[in-house]
Amino acid sequence: DGGITQSPKYLFRKEGQNVTLSCEQNLNHDAMYWYRQDPGQGLRLIYYSQIVNDFQKGDIAEGYSVSREKKESFPLTVTSAQKNPTAFYLCASSSLAGRAWEQFFGPGTRLTVL
Amino acid sequence: SQQGEEDPQALSIQEGENATMNCSYKTSINNLQWYRQNSGRGLVHLILIRSNEREKHSGRLRVTLDTSKKSSSLLITASRAADTASYFCATDAGETSGSRLTFGEGTQLTVNP
Repeated sequence: DGGITQSPKYLFRKEGQNVTLSCEQNLNHDAMYWYRQDPGQGLRLIYYSQIVNDFQKGDIAEGYSVSREKKESFPLTVTSAQKNPTAFYLCASSSLAGRAWEQFFGPGTRLTVL
Repeated sequence: SQQGEEDPQALSIQEGENATMNCSYKTSINNLQWYRQNSGRGLVHLILIRSNEREKHSGRLRVTLDTSKKSSSLLITASRAADTASYFCATDAGETSGSRLTFGEGTQLTVNP
């Protein structure tokens, strides 16, 4: 059963703590993405990666870090430098073949800072 | 920065009516995509229209693209209560942007039974 998974579904963090959100895909997609969504808003790109061991900053990368050591995995760390991390985080992946770049999304992780 | 802007921000209709949502963008694009998001869930891809296409259909969905006006519309015909969701357009600006998409703010559609 192919797809993209995110864990945990809900995450609570105390101020000053780093937390890592998991994203895994078994679609054999080359590219993976992290987005942030605030209530009633659209998606803003945090980081994306088109190949293993390489990634690029999106529009709001400050306070976040990522790694891409395996094709299937693209974890996102929300650091204590992110001043307002409470949001819904979405991971996506896409094949780079054919130049269509339809993105497949995971179910999301809702992060709340206490 | 957000390139796509959806209009209206919110739309409420009765079951059986048609729903039309519009998207405007600023730069040239390779293709434009529409996605749907149920509350608290991930996005689901609905339809993609390439820059050299003007209209595309998929089931009850009809998408148009006017590159001269930098705008697109999504029409959902014979709406159902299950169509209640947020709808987002996303643009692919071509090779210089890599594989990234730029999403708009979305239209919240409510279909009343």
